[in-house]
Amino acid sequence: GESVGLHLPTLSVQEGDNSIINCAYSNSASDYFIWYKQESGKGPQFIIDIRSNMDKRQGQRVTVLLNKTVKHLSLQIAATQPGDSAVYFCAENPDNTDKLIFGTGTRLQVFP
Amino acid sequence: KAGVTQTPRYLIKTRGQQVTLSCSPISGHRSVSWYQQTPGQGLQFLFEYFSETQRNKGNFPGRFSGRQFSNSRSEMNVSTLELGDSALYLCASSLGGGTNQPQHFGDGTRLSIL
Repeated sequence: GESVGLHLPTLSVQEGDNSIINCAYSNSASDYFIWYKQESGKGPQFIIDIRSNMDKRQGQRVTVLLNKTVKHLSLQIAATQPGDSAVYFCAENPDNTDKLIFGTGTRLQVFP
Repeated sequence: KAGVTQTPRYLIKTRGQQVTLSCSPISGHRSVSWYQQTPGQGLQFLFEYFSETQRNKGNFPGRFSGRQFSNSRSEMNVSTLELGDSALYLCASSLGGGTNQPQHFGDGTRLSIL
């Protein structure tokens, strides 16, 4: 699995602004990607997913963009709220089983 | 619909002991996966079970094992515990069957080794 440092990259945004969280994935054969949100003391919570035959998918206040050429995912959160403060993980599915490979995570801090 | 339930939430063990963690998936979900989360290594895949069969295994020693029952509930076992096994152990369930459905996680079991 990935080796990550003790200190997560942190994105600090002001309440009401838009947030963009980026992720580089590792396997060009991956065909399914998921974004998760993890709050302190809880397990990862599903936000949105995207398949490799798409390059954009929108949900409620969130949009995921997929660039397969450079193996890059991004999560855009519109009108960021204090309740969005959490650690965000991208995950890729490299085969047809349920094995997920997780990214290092980004901590999102929302300040008033 | 109830979410993924993991028991116990917290566990303290000493080196050399063994431990069994339990996971009840979302009703109707047939795939259960286990992950280890540590500050140093992040989220790492342990194994996945579908219809009582281990379908995939991560890069962990044989001290880590699991099983799935006919009702899709799953247990994982860690034998001869080491200090480095201290972690949050997460269980996730999905419909399974290679349909690329999202996995939904429980809140984990926090295992501390003294």
